[in-house]
Amino acid sequence: DARVTQTPRHKVTEMGQEVTMRCQPILGHNTVFWYRQTMMQGLELLAYFRNRAPLDDSGMPKDRFSAEMPDATLATLKIQPSEPRDSAVYFCASGLKRDGYTDTQYFGPGTRLTVL
Amino acid sequence: AQSVTQLGSHVSVSEGALVLLRCNYSSSVPPYLFWYVQYPNQGLQLLLKYTTGATLVKGINGFEAEFKKSETSFHLTKPSAHMSDAAEYFCAVSEVYSGAGSYQLTFGKGTKLSVIP
Repeated sequence: DARVTQTPRHKVTEMGQEVTMRCQPILGHNTVFWYRQTMMQGLELLAYFRNRAPLDDSGMPKDRFSAEMPDATLATLKIQPSEPRDSAVYFCASGLKRDGYTDTQYFGPGTRLTVL
Repeated sequence: AQSVTQLGSHVSVSEGALVLLRCNYSSSVPPYLFWYVQYPNQGLQLLLKYTTGATLVKGINGFEAEFKKSETSFHLTKPSAHMSDAAEYFCAVSEVYSGAGSYQLTFGKGTKLSVIP
């Protein structure tokens, strides 16, 4: 049963520290999404990649957030420096998009980030 | 731009009663529509989706939803609620374009379903 995996599942850090979250998409999926979930804003799209290339990161605070896909099996979301307002659950999702076909997005279990 | 409105942030039903969760969307192109469920401390799991074809879509766990273009709605229903249905439910819309276009999801704010024994 193929699944999206995310590490760590929980992270508590102090303000100003760097945080790196990792995601392993489902093998064969060519699109990876990063979402953030908070009580106030709900689910927000931060960024997404197609074939490892960033297509849209307009939802991300550019000064402190960065997202990359070093290879097809790993996506990373980094926050530097972290702030208390970054406390949220961060979800990675993956799917398959090609001409004439669009797959469902499959979500990972999330990383719960707490910035003190 | 696409958007989703879920009516009611909290819905309570008795066990065995009908579940109705409301979702209205706006989209500039024919949309793909989704319902996801989120159990506490877990990720989102797809319940069902509408892409094209039959407007009544059946999903997992006895849920179904009907796409009504004239009403721009995609309400989720289940004839008889079970205790295990207690969770948060998210409606989402995607404007799908051919080729290399995006299929990012825009989510509603979610509806938390409580099931009363």
